Amino acid sequence: DAKTTQPPSMDCAEGRAANLPCNHSTISGNEYVYWYRQIHSQGPQYIIHGLKNNETNEMASLIITEDRKSSTLILPHATLRDTAVYYCIVRVFGAAGNKLTFGGGTRVLVKP
Amino acid sequence: NAGVMQNPRHLVRRRGQEARLRCSPMKGHSHVYWYRQLPEEGLKFMVYLQKENIIDESGMPKERFSAEFPKEGPSILRIQQVVRGDSAAYFCASSPSTGDFSGNTIYFGEGSWLTVV
Repeated sequence: DAKTTQPPSMDCAEGRAANLPCNHSTISGNEYVYWYRQIHSQGPQYIIHGLKNNETNEMASLIITEDRKSSTLILPHATLRDTAVYYCIVRVFGAAGNKLTFGGGTRVLVKP
Repeated sequence: NAGVMQNPRHLVRRRGQEARLRCSPMKGHSHVYWYRQLPEEGLKFMVYLQKENIIDESGMPKERFSAEFPKEGPSILRIQQVVRGDSAAYFCASSPSTGDFSGNTIYFGEGSWLTVV
């Protein structure tokens, strides 16, 4: 699976948009970009995923560059409850390659 | 539709005892994954199972750890002769069949916290 690079931490003001970058320059054509987050002492929570096109759901938006070498997760109106570690993961499908491999993620602190 | 259910949520074992952690996948999911998270560390993959089969156990310690996902009932992660270094959060996750490439999603449970004293 392709590796990802994320900033280790970032702060965000409550009520503002949070833009979380992720580099995945070695991504392959059949690899999806997934985002999860882990709030302290809880299980990882699925946020969103995409292949080529931008995606939006009730939690966030995912913007993938045309060359697919990087992406940005956007939390439109950050709240204090969005404080968590956010993981960007690329995932290939296959009999033995279905698992998620977590890196260090970005520790996001939403401040009042 | 209930999510991934793990129990017990908290388990305390003395050194040398056995720990059994159970995981019921989401309804309709036939794939189960176990991850371990040591204190202040990241999530590490342990094992990936389908019903009655271990597909990928590349992250499982070679000794004392085993996992199963029987035809009926929950998946079990078993740790024999626990040591203090086994103290961690153990997360189970599940996903539906990977028969298509539409982006099947893996969902996680809330974890089982094992403390070895």
